[in-house]
Amino acid sequence: DAGVTQSPTHLIKTRGQQVTLRCSPKSGHDTVSWYQQALGQGPQFIFQYYEEEERQRGNFPDRFSGHQFPNYSSELNVNALLLGDSALYLCASSPGTGLSYEQYFGPGTRLTVT
Amino acid sequence: GDSVTQMEGPVTLSEEAFLTINCTYTATGYPSLFWYVQYPGEGLQLLLKATKADDKGSNKGFEATYRKETTSFHLEKGSVQVSDSAVYFCALIPGGSEKLVFGKGTKLTVNP
Repeated sequence: DAGVTQSPTHLIKTRGQQVTLRCSPKSGHDTVSWYQQALGQGPQFIFQYYEEEERQRGNFPDRFSGHQFPNYSSELNVNALLLGDSALYLCASSPGTGLSYEQYFGPGTRLTVT
Repeated sequence: GDSVTQMEGPVTLSEEAFLTINCTYTATGYPSLFWYVQYPGEGLQLLLKATKADDKGSNKGFEATYRKETTSFHLEKGSVQVSDSAVYFCALIPGGSEKLVFGKGTKLTVNP
């Protein structure tokens, strides 16, 4: 059973560009959350998707947007990239919403903005 | 706001030593508390959790007790192994929310 997968593994972009990161949840999971982990820091919650809707959002600007597809996979889009957006972006999936469901994390996408 | 503070690393121990990683939190309502572990090159994995005061979470020899009076959730293991070398994150989910709030992480290195 494949776990959470993310693509690409690494990405280098220039300031001002746009980027799309992809996540496939673990089989049987319908809820996807995205986190940003800056170097030496803990992950910070960006937003959560369930039933193709954004359910909850952290303190991130509108440049960060997302989408969930009918097969539960998800994309994270970041527009007008800033140097400060350089980070490891983590996707987590769970088999539902609520505290009883463990979030399973993918290996992440390392984004470097130059 | 909601936050987690954990002890600064890195922590270096010899095999079979006792491990404590301190974690304190600030949160509204009644949070659930977690420890996650990140092995080199791998994604975050849930190590243990506790959802109410005085609960003890345990897994793979690691333990942590939810102490509401001291707002703490310290991670302990009686005898660490080289394979425990990883980064450990304390985290919480605030009451009424589903977003994880993480500490900065503590890197543990266990030498043979």
